[in-house]
Order: sequence, then C-alpha cells, then structure tokens
Amino acid sequence: QVQLVESGGGVVQPGGSLRLSCAASGFTFSNFGMHWVRQAPGKGLEWVAFIGFDGSNKYYADSVEGRFTISRDNSKNTLYLQVGSLRADDTAVYYCAKPKLGPSSFFDFWGQGTLVTVSS
Amino acid sequence: DIQMTQSPSSLSASVGDRVTITCRASQGISNFLAWYQQKPGGFPNLLIYAASTLQSGVPSRFSGSGSGTAFTLTISSLQPEDVATYYCQEYISAPWTFGQGTKVQVK
Repeated sequence: QVQLVESGGGVVQPGGSLRLSCAASGFTFSNFGMHWVRQAPGKGLEWVAFIGFDGSNKYYADSVEGRFTISRDNSKNTLYLQVGSLRADDTAVYYCAKPKLGPSSFFDFWGQGTLVTVSS
Repeated sequence: DIQMTQSPSSLSASVGDRVTITCRASQGISNFLAWYQQKPGGFPNLLIYAASTLQSGVPSRFSGSGSGTAFTLTISSLQPEDVATYYCQEYISAPWTFGQGTKVQVK
C-alpha cells in the first residue's frame, strides 16, 4: 500500500533553514511527480511546490519562490523540501502528496505531515 | 492564478440532514475539481475527483456535481463521523489552488 512519511520538522529561528524529507513506498516513485502542501495552525491548505517525476520540472507558490527548493532522489524513493529564510508565517504542518497521474491530477495519497515552527 | 471560493465557511447540521457545500472557480476549470475531507487532527483524504467521481471506499452518501466554475459537494445524510473540514481544489494547472475550507459540525 502507498505510504508517505515526512520527517525533518522542528523549531527554527527566523531566517533559519531546514530540510524536510518524505519517504515514499508502495508505488513506483520514479514514475510520479510529487507535491508539498502546507497548513498553518488553524488555517486552510496551501500548495507549496511540485517536482516532476525526473526532477526536471519544478513549480513554486509565489509565497515561497526563491526561499524554498524542492528536490528528489529516485534511488532512495525520497522527496525533499529545503526551506530557508524562514519567517513566522512559514510555521505550518508540511505534507507531501502524490498525484494520481501527471501534473494535472488530483492528490490521491498524503503523508501525515511534519511540523515546522519558526520562533525565536 | 485561479481562485477557489467555498461557501459557507462553516455550518452546523443535525444527524440525518442533507448538507451542501459550494465551490466556485474564478475561471472555467472543466471538471478538474477534487474534494478532500480533513478530520480534526488528521491529514486530508480524497473524497471526490473529476467533480463527481467518488474515490474508492468513500461512503455513497457523499456526492459531487458541477462543471466549469460552479461545483457542489453534498452529504445526503450527515453522520457523526462526517465532522471535518472539507476543501475543494482545482487541479487543471499550477498552483493547484485549494478553497479556504468549510467546517462541518453536528448539532
């Protein structure tokens, strides 16, 4: 069965950085693009970033462009999100999500999320 | 970018009631519309895709309709386990925008 397990969250000071990971299993990871979505405490879902199946295509939300970097290692079945120049409003649970098919596809599996708290 | 607007932002209904949530897109998205359920403390779970196709394992009391810019999620008979926040999402193109969510509570 498909499993997505995020890790790497924690408390970080404003301006700091973290690398989030999403370990995937139960499907052929290298055949699928992948997304990151975040949710601030008590708020709604915000799409953050997408990477194509081979890493060649990347898209970012305007709110994180230039500060966050999405990447993947298909040999390790792992998705990454390098989050930097962090601000208080980046505090959120970060989810990785798998699309059903290509980029124009809904998200059929989600991880349980990892919490990033930006605080001094 | 496409904007997604849900209404209402919250509602409270009795067990057995019919519940309807509306989602509007700022431009036509054909049927590239999904609905997700997020229970308190949990992660989002896919309910409906292609505006009206029920995801495997989702109870038949859930249904979706619409095309273009106007969409609806209906719960035909609200159950206690349906307490959750529901989100619509367009997936026709980046940035895969979500609606702001509708919190459903049971009276």
